[in-house]
Amino acid sequence: DAKTTQPTSMDCAEGRAANLPCNHSTISGNEYVYWYRQIHSQGPQYIIHGLKNNETNEMASLIITEDRKSSTLILPHATLRDTAVYYCIVTSTGANSKLTFGKGITLSVRP
Amino acid sequence: SAVISQKPSRDICQRGTSLTIQCQVDSQVTMMFWYRQQPGQSLTLIATANQGSEATYESGFVIDKFPISRPNLTFSTLTVSNMSPEDSSIYLCSVLGPSSYEQYFGPGTRLTVT
Repeated sequence: DAKTTQPTSMDCAEGRAANLPCNHSTISGNEYVYWYRQIHSQGPQYIIHGLKNNETNEMASLIITEDRKSSTLILPHATLRDTAVYYCIVTSTGANSKLTFGKGITLSVRP
Repeated sequence: SAVISQKPSRDICQRGTSLTIQCQVDSQVTMMFWYRQQPGQSLTLIATANQGSEATYESGFVIDKFPISRPNLTFSTLTVSNMSPEDSSIYLCSVLGPSSYEQYFGPGTRLTVT
């Protein structure tokens, strides 16, 4: 699986958009970009995934660059409950899906 | 989505003993996974457990140390054998969702080995 690179940490103000970047320059054609988050003392939670088109669900939006070498997770209106470690993972799907967790980015939402 | 429970939620064990962790899912799933999260670290995949076949272990993990059972489509166990303090971690199970895209994680089992 391709490796990802994320900043170590970032913070944002409550109610503002949080834009979390991820680089994955070695992504291959059949690999998807996934985002999970882990709130303290809980198991990871799936957020969103995409192949090459931008995706949006009730939690977040995922913007993938045209060359697919980087992506941005957008939390449109961050709340204190969004404080967590966010993992950007590149992997195949289905029977070949294996999640290789890096260090992730720690998002701190401040009041 | 799938609702996953794990037992025990936490335990303190003496070195040299073994602990079996249970993972129960509220729906039938094909693929289940076991992860370890050492203190202050990210998650590492231990093995993939498909019903009806032997578990597939990742590099650095062996069946003698982490035997896994998968008796049916809603249940799996992971045993941590002959424990040492280095085995102190959070152990999490996850399942592949029905769309085969996302994984759902259990709450984890916090193990401390003294």
